[in-house]
Amino acid sequence: GAGVSQSPSNKVTEKGKDVELRCDPISGHTALYWYRQRLGQGLEFLIYFQGNSAPDKSGLPSDRFSAERTGESVSTLTIQRTQQEDSAVYLCASSLGVGEGVGGGYTFGSGTRLTVV
Amino acid sequence: AQSVTQLGSHVSVSEGALVLLRCNYSSSVPPYLFWYVQYPNQGLQLLLKYTTGATLVKGINGFEAEFKKSETSFHLTKPSAHMSDAAEYFCAVRYTSGTYKYIFGTGTRLKVLA
Repeated sequence: GAGVSQSPSNKVTEKGKDVELRCDPISGHTALYWYRQRLGQGLEFLIYFQGNSAPDKSGLPSDRFSAERTGESVSTLTIQRTQQEDSAVYLCASSLGVGEGVGGGYTFGSGTRLTVV
Repeated sequence: AQSVTQLGSHVSVSEGALVLLRCNYSSSVPPYLFWYVQYPNQGLQLLLKYTTGATLVKGINGFEAEFKKSETSFHLTKPSAHMSDAAEYFCAVRYTSGTYKYIFGTGTRLKVLA
């Protein structure tokens, strides 16, 4: 597509429920990133996918968080047993990845605002 | 540890005044450097970037930034602030080896006073 698409744009869930957030990257972008932005804070790296390589999961805050991506297509971020501290805007970004275009920067989606009540 | 520091979480300038937003990084090897802007209720947008070559880079909306290796800095400037510049600005780095993740600063919220 023309841009990075994220859905849903807003999600309100009850504490303890599982949620799935979806990211559809720009066609041809091999790299896909998930970040979290808590209110009034900067972006916190969660996970990075590059082609068929093993993902960099070093930013996932707990084992309640997981993400999948099949090939170079859609990614889903799953949060199990949500807690109130999970409330944040979850941002997805894609880029051309390593090699050509590596310095080009990300294209961000507009994010999913998650509120855990 | 790799880090990005943005000095000043809030900056206020008068319309027409110089904008200076500070960014310092920690690394012995110069990384790729970026500034992103986030307007209210919008996503992040790339403002400008430095990878190699000329150390003074120009971006959109009249912004520019200068990479200074000796100071490990990449400060963002604009000669004359406009009301439409009010937004949150994030500095980010991507190191040239190892991980390909980007590390973001905590952001600076720019307020432009009439």
